[in-house]
Amino acid sequence: GQNIDQPTEMTATEGAIVQINCTYQTSGFNGLFWYQQHAGEAPTFLSYNVLDGLEEKGRFSSFLSRSKGYSYLLLKELQMKDSASYLCAVRGDTDKLIFGTGTRLQVFP
Amino acid sequence: ETGVTQTPRHLVMGMTNKKSLKCEQHLGHNAMYWYKQSAKKPLELMFVYSLEERVENNSVPSRFSPECPNSSHLFLHLHTLQPEDSALYLCASSQVGGGHETQYFGPGTRLLVL
Repeated sequence: GQNIDQPTEMTATEGAIVQINCTYQTSGFNGLFWYQQHAGEAPTFLSYNVLDGLEEKGRFSSFLSRSKGYSYLLLKELQMKDSASYLCAVRGDTDKLIFGTGTRLQVFP
Repeated sequence: ETGVTQTPRHLVMGMTNKKSLKCEQHLGHNAMYWYKQSAKKPLELMFVYSLEERVENNSVPSRFSPECPNSSHLFLHLHTLQPEDSALYLCASSQVGGGHETQYFGPGTRLLVL
């Protein structure tokens, strides 16, 4: 079967660094996406990885290891507005996106 | 503003009602999607339209009926729904064949079936 696993909830302190992990088992692999979703709002695109390694975009970075079926999203210099759900999604060989349940991150002052 | 709009944002309906959800994308994309998001569950893909042709129907009950009159508009017609259909319904669009084909989402319609 196809499966995406990520922690349900995480907490962190303002100004800190947090790493949200995602492991996947899918039929084929054509890229991994991270989305941010604030409560009651649309998921918004954060990052895309298709090759192994780290993609950096400002305070956010995303890492991929295809051999391990593993990715993480790294958030630096956390701000209160980063409190949201973070969705990991993998495009398999059918080109459909398969989503994890999301990680709800709470940032405290 | 992601370029994908959805109306209504909130909808309460009885099990015998008929209603429609509307989605419009202003991004010039050629594919549109309906997803269902329930509490503590992953986003579930319902329907995909690519170049206005339905290319995916993910075993969705017939009480959900999609319509894509053109590449910018997508509807989801609802009739005789069940309480378990209460969820957030998200629309997305993407440019198929254009690189990594990122999907951009609308804000969703929060549906409550009584």
